[in-house]
Amino acid sequence: EAQVTQNPRYLITVTGKKLTVTCSQNMNHEYMSWYRQDPGLGLRQIYYSMNVEVTDKGDVPEGYKVSRKEKRNFPLILESPSPNQTSLYFCASSSPIQGRAFFGQGTRLTVV
Amino acid sequence: GESVGLHLPTLSVQEGDNSIINCAYSNSASDYFIWYKQESGKGPQFIIDIRSNMDKRQGQRVTVLLNKTVKHLSLQIAATQPGDSAVYFCAENMANGGSQGNLIFGKGTKLSVKP
Repeated sequence: EAQVTQNPRYLITVTGKKLTVTCSQNMNHEYMSWYRQDPGLGLRQIYYSMNVEVTDKGDVPEGYKVSRKEKRNFPLILESPSPNQTSLYFCASSSPIQGRAFFGQGTRLTVV
Repeated sequence: GESVGLHLPTLSVQEGDNSIINCAYSNSASDYFIWYKQESGKGPQFIIDIRSNMDKRQGQRVTVLLNKTVKHLSLQIAATQPGDSAVYFCAENMANGGSQGNLIFGKGTKLSVKP
């Protein structure tokens, strides 16, 4: 089954404690992205990657890092999480030919 | 479930009626548009897409209309069912060739279907 898998689904952490949210896709897609979703603000892009070892900032990259060492994986790293990073996070992937993005189930992050 | 519907425009329709959800996009250079459906507790799911060389595209019970003159996109759902209740997002692609790296999403509209 074609899918994008994020882990964990839910995470509560404390300010400053480094964390990583993993994302994996099994569709051999070149493009992958991370979004955060907040009430009233919709989906905002954090980072995206057009292929292995190629990453670019989206609209709200501050406080986040990503890496793309393999085509299937695109982890999101918060080196020093802060409460304003409490949000619902989505990973997505797509191919350049098809265009449409496939989304993971989301990760609810709470930073206290 | 996840509360993604807070502060969103809401459309309430009777089961069996047709629904029309509207979206204004921002960039006249956008060449690819997508509608997504997001149910509570789930990630956005693809519904239908359209490229800028078309003004209408039909799927199963859904139709997307594109008016490039006024930068307007609409999603029509025929014979709306309770399972259609969700938040609907439009997305535009700012790059040629449909680069997903540049998808820009609208704020979303919450559709509520009354039985």
